[in-house]
Amino acid sequence: KAGVTQTPRYLIKTRGQQVTLSCSPISGHRSVSWYQQTPGQGLQFLFEYFSETQRNKGNFPGRFSGRQFSNSRSEMNVSTLELGDSALYLCASTGGAGGPNEQFFGPGTRLTVL
Amino acid sequence: AQTVTQSQPEMSVQEAETVTLSCTYDTSESDYYLFWYKQPPSRQMILVIRQEAYKQQNATENRFSVNFQKAAKSFSLKISDSQLGDAAMYFCAYCEGNYQLIWGAGTKLIIKP
Repeated sequence: KAGVTQTPRYLIKTRGQQVTLSCSPISGHRSVSWYQQTPGQGLQFLFEYFSETQRNKGNFPGRFSGRQFSNSRSEMNVSTLELGDSALYLCASTGGAGGPNEQFFGPGTRLTVL
Repeated sequence: AQTVTQSQPEMSVQEAETVTLSCTYDTSESDYYLFWYKQPPSRQMILVIRQEAYKQQNATENRFSVNFQKAAKSFSLKISDSQLGDAAMYFCAYCEGNYQLIWGAGTKLIIKP
C-alpha cells in the first residue's frame, strides 16, 4: 500500500504570494490532518478534514485554509505569505486498522518564503 | 489547554545501551491517547509506539517500551539495545480522539558507536 504523498517537496516563494500544497492520503483513509513545523514554534496543528468537511481547526490566521476532495486528497493554501510562514508542512492521514488516532505522515513540503 | 513537555532537548547513549526519554503532559480528560513519534534527518515522521489512557498495561513494540503513569501524567519511552538507526528527534504527542495531535518540543537522540 502506498504511503502518504505530498507535493511539491520543496517550494520557494516571496512575501505576499500565495501557495497551495497537496496531500494524497493512504488509500482508504478518509481523515487528513495538516501540521506546521518550525524551529521556533515546533509542531502545531493546522486543521483536519474528513469527508470533505473541516472538523477541527488550530489557532492559525485566516490566511491558512484548506479543503478536501471526494477522493480524500487534500490541499492547503496560504495566502499573502509572510517570512514566518517558512516551515515544513506535514500532512497525515488516519483510518487504518490501528484505530482513528494512528496518524501516518507524509514526507512534508518544505516552504521557504523570501 | 492540554500541554506536552519534553524536558530533555538532547540525550546521548552508547550503542547497545538503554536510554529513557521523558514526557509529561497536562490534561483534565480521562480518555486520551499518547504517542511517541520518531523523525530522522529525512524528516519523515514515523510512529514508534502508542498508548491508550484506559489501558493500564504499558505498550511495547520490540525494543521500544513505555512507562505510562496516568496519575502522574507521565509517559516515558525506553529504548533498549540502542542502534545507530535510532538516532533521530523523538516527539511525544497527545490526542483526545479529535485527530488533533498536541506535540512536545522533541528530544534529539544521539547514538554513540
